[in-house]
Amino acid sequence: DSGVTQTPKHLITATGQRVTLRCSPRSGDLSVYWYQQSLDQGLQFLIQYYNGEERAKGNILERFSAQQFPDLHSELNLSSLELGDSALYFCASSGRGGTYNEQFFGPGTRLTVL
Amino acid sequence: AQKVTQAQTEISVVEKEDVTLDCVYETRDTTYYLFWYKQPPSGELVFLIRRNSFDEQNEISGRYSWNFQKSTSSFNFTITASQVVDSAVYFCALPHSGNTPLVFGKGTRLSVIA
Repeated sequence: DSGVTQTPKHLITATGQRVTLRCSPRSGDLSVYWYQQSLDQGLQFLIQYYNGEERAKGNILERFSAQQFPDLHSELNLSSLELGDSALYFCASSGRGGTYNEQFFGPGTRLTVL
Repeated sequence: AQKVTQAQTEISVVEKEDVTLDCVYETRDTTYYLFWYKQPPSGELVFLIRRNSFDEQNEISGRYSWNFQKSTSSFNFTITASQVVDSAVYFCALPHSGNTPLVFGKGTRLSVIA
């Protein structure tokens, strides 16, 4: 158990819908990262937050947004869903924002868009 | 830009055989870290090792060992006396330049047959 929790574990929805994925980092970790794992694109970084502030942005679509709350949990919002958004979404956390600490990953949320 | 290449897409070995997973990376940074993660069939990503570019000594942890060679930009992972429980997808990764989000290779799927 990495200490990072993600809910829900599975999500099935229809095209055009909006969903919210939730992540609670390990106790004490200030950085939260979101990654998407799909068959064709592999594991890709989406966005990072550090202590409530956006720190880095990767290949995140404009239809997607995220935030980190004062209690450090984070939410990833996916809207106007398309079939191609079906993927495994991981949240990871690490202890400090500016150094290369190991990132500990949650169990992931498997999103299926029908 | 950072790049990680895992040329072996799939490897199949018989239990108790040794197996080496290759990882070649590209970076313009003079100081960097390298990571290996394991993704078992259950789907979670498990941290295995973080390696600093300053330290080129081989690392051993039980049946796992890592060979880091800066001259060839490689960070290979060897499993000695493989077991069925080692069956998983293994990812090599390094951080984006100047930040901590990870760039992952495409992964190598290892199947260990009893």
